[in-house]
Amino acid sequence: KQEVTQIPAALSVPEGENLVLNCSFTDSAIYNLQWFRQDPGKGLTSLLLIQSSQREQTSGRLNASLDKSSGRSTLYIAASQPGDSATYLCAVRRGETSGSRLTFGEGTQLTVNP
Amino acid sequence: KAGVTQTPRYLIKTRGQQVTLSCSPISGHRSVSWYQQTPGQGLQFLFEYFSETQRNKGNFPGRFSGRQFSNSRSEMNVSTLELGDSALYLCASSLVRFAGGRVYGYTFGSGTRLTVV
Repeated sequence: KQEVTQIPAALSVPEGENLVLNCSFTDSAIYNLQWFRQDPGKGLTSLLLIQSSQREQTSGRLNASLDKSSGRSTLYIAASQPGDSATYLCAVRRGETSGSRLTFGEGTQLTVNP
Repeated sequence: KAGVTQTPRYLIKTRGQQVTLSCSPISGHRSVSWYQQTPGQGLQFLFEYFSETQRNKGNFPGRFSGRQFSNSRSEMNVSTLELGDSALYLCASSLVRFAGGRVYGYTFGSGTRLTVV
C-alpha cells in the first residue's frame, strides 16, 4: 500500500526566504506526482505535475524535482511571499489509466510572514 | 474555460438524513473522482467514474455511493448520515480520451463542506 509522507508538517518563514518542502513515498512504481496548494476552506489548486520519466518541472518561482528510485520529491519555492501562505500537498498516482487513484500526503502548512 | 463546479458549497444536515452532492467537470473531461477531506484522515479517495462507469472505489461503507451521467456530470450520495461524515468533499476531473486511456493531471473543484449535526 502506497504511503506518502510530507516533512515538515508546518513551516513559518520570513518573506523573501527560499524554502524546500519534502515529499516521500514508499512505492516507487508511480506514474506521476502532483503538487497542490490548498488555501483554508478551499479546494486544491494544481501547481506542478511531474511524470515518472521526468526529473523536474518549473513554473515561475516554483520548482519541483522527482527522484523516483529513492521515493522522494521536493518543492522549491524561491523568494517566498505572504501570498504563498497555504497548505501544500503532494500526491502520487500509480497507474496511467482511469481507475488509478491519487494518494495524498498530509501536507505542509506554510506561513510566510511579512 | 470554466473549472470544476461543485454544488452546493455548504450543507448542514442532521444525523440519519441523506445528502446528494453534485460535480460538473471541465468541459471535455470524462473522468470524475471524489475525495473526502477531514482533519484526522486527510484526503481519502472515494470513487472514480469514467463514461458512466465506476472504475475504482475506496474504502468507504456502502452508505457512500455515486453515479455519473452521460454529460460527465457526477453526483455522490451519502445515506444515513453520521457525525463522522462531516468533511470537505472534493471532486476532481481529468482528461481521459477513452476507456483505459492515459489520464492527465487532475483539476479540483472548491469542494462542498458538509456538516452533520
